Amino acid sequence: ETGVTQSPTHLIKTRGQQVTLRCSSQSGHNTVSWYQQALGQGPQFIFQYYREEENGRGNFPPRFSGLQFPNYSSELNVNALELDDSALYLCASSLMGGSAEAFFGQGTRLTVV
Amino acid sequence: AQSVAQPEDQVNVAEGNPLTVKCTYSVSGNPYLFWYVQYPNRGLQFLLKYITGDNLVKGSYGFEAEFNKSQTSFHLKKPSALVSDSALYFCAVRKPYSSASKIIFGSGTRLSIRP
Repeated sequence: ETGVTQSPTHLIKTRGQQVTLRCSSQSGHNTVSWYQQALGQGPQFIFQYYREEENGRGNFPPRFSGLQFPNYSSELNVNALELDDSALYLCASSLMGGSAEAFFGQGTRLTVV
Repeated sequence: AQSVAQPEDQVNVAEGNPLTVKCTYSVSGNPYLFWYVQYPNRGLQFLLKYITGDNLVKGSYGFEAEFNKSQTSFHLKKPSALVSDSALYFCAVRKPYSSASKIIFGSGTRLSIRP
């Protein structure tokens, strides 16, 4: 086990709704990243947070937003859900620095209907 | 543009035989290279990484990977496959000296080990 926990594990939302996904980082890690993994594809970088500030963003629209809290836990918020947002959302925690490997949670499976 | 290619969607190997999962990358500079494994309905598990130094890197569960700078490849290998190695494998890269630790993943290779 990596020590990174995500909740919930599964959820179903209706198109147009909003969703919040949560992540608890591994102890001692100060950086959290979120990834979207569509079925049959590799994970795609959404954004990263370091010391409660967004520190990099992938090609995702502004309706994807996040927060990192002082205890390094994190949230991913998605507004105005679209059918294409259905995917596995992965949280990864690490130490700041490119050589540090990221440790992933088990993911949240989001289905938008 | 930065990219990672895993040319094989699936690799089939008999148990006990050696296995290779291929990966090539296109990233400027000297990137950090990683392999992750994903079991059904699970997140990604870190296997190994190359930062610098010896081109042969050893990781978890008997896996190793060979870095080849001239071919921009980072192939995953194991001398003797186990049925329990059957899973989805992702090659990944990260640019060095970047404040944003964005990891770029390949599309994945499904490894199937038959008894």
